[in-house]
Amino acid sequence: DSGVTQTPKHLITATGQRVTLRCSPRSGDLSVYWYQQSLDQGLQFLIQYYNGEERAKGNILERFSAQQFPDLHSELNLSSLELGDSALYFCASSARGLATGELFFGEGSRLTVL
Amino acid sequence: GESVGLHLPTLSVQEGDNSIINCAYSNSASDYFIWYKQESGKGPQFIIDIRSNMDKRQGQRVTVLLNKTVKHLSLQIAATQPGDSAVYFCAEKRVEAGNMLTFGGGTRLMVKP
Repeated sequence: DSGVTQTPKHLITATGQRVTLRCSPRSGDLSVYWYQQSLDQGLQFLIQYYNGEERAKGNILERFSAQQFPDLHSELNLSSLELGDSALYFCASSARGLATGELFFGEGSRLTVL
Repeated sequence: GESVGLHLPTLSVQEGDNSIINCAYSNSASDYFIWYKQESGKGPQFIIDIRSNMDKRQGQRVTVLLNKTVKHLSLQIAATQPGDSAVYFCAEKRVEAGNMLTFGGGTRLMVKP
């Protein structure tokens, strides 16, 4: 158990809809990262938050947005969903000042868009 | 987190043999190189990392080798066990970019009993 909690574990929805994925980082971790894992793209970095502020942005679509709340949990909002958005969405967290490459990943939210 | 469907190269080894998983990287400015393991139904799990100024680092049953001349990274697993069956990802990180990791495409390791 990494200590990172993601909900829901599975989500099935239709094209055009909007969903929200939630992540609770490890206790004390200030940084939250969102990654997308699709069948043919591997793990793609979406966005990072540190203590409530956006720190880095990757290949995140304009239809997607995220935020980190004062209690440090984070939400990833996906709107106007398309079939190609079907993927696993992972949240990871890390401690402040961590110099190594260790991120702690949750077990992911599997999104299926029909 | 089911990764079975990923279209990945596969390495099949006999239980007890040593495994070598390779990764090529492109960013010479990376400060750290990291290996992650992803078991079926789970998120990626940190295995070992190596700073860019090192050539070799050993952990428990694992060794990471870094060849900066040819931009090549490898993960060696000694005495491979069935529990090592998973997808292995290499990743790289630049300190100035925070802890954001850029992942490679992954290799599926299958251990035959």
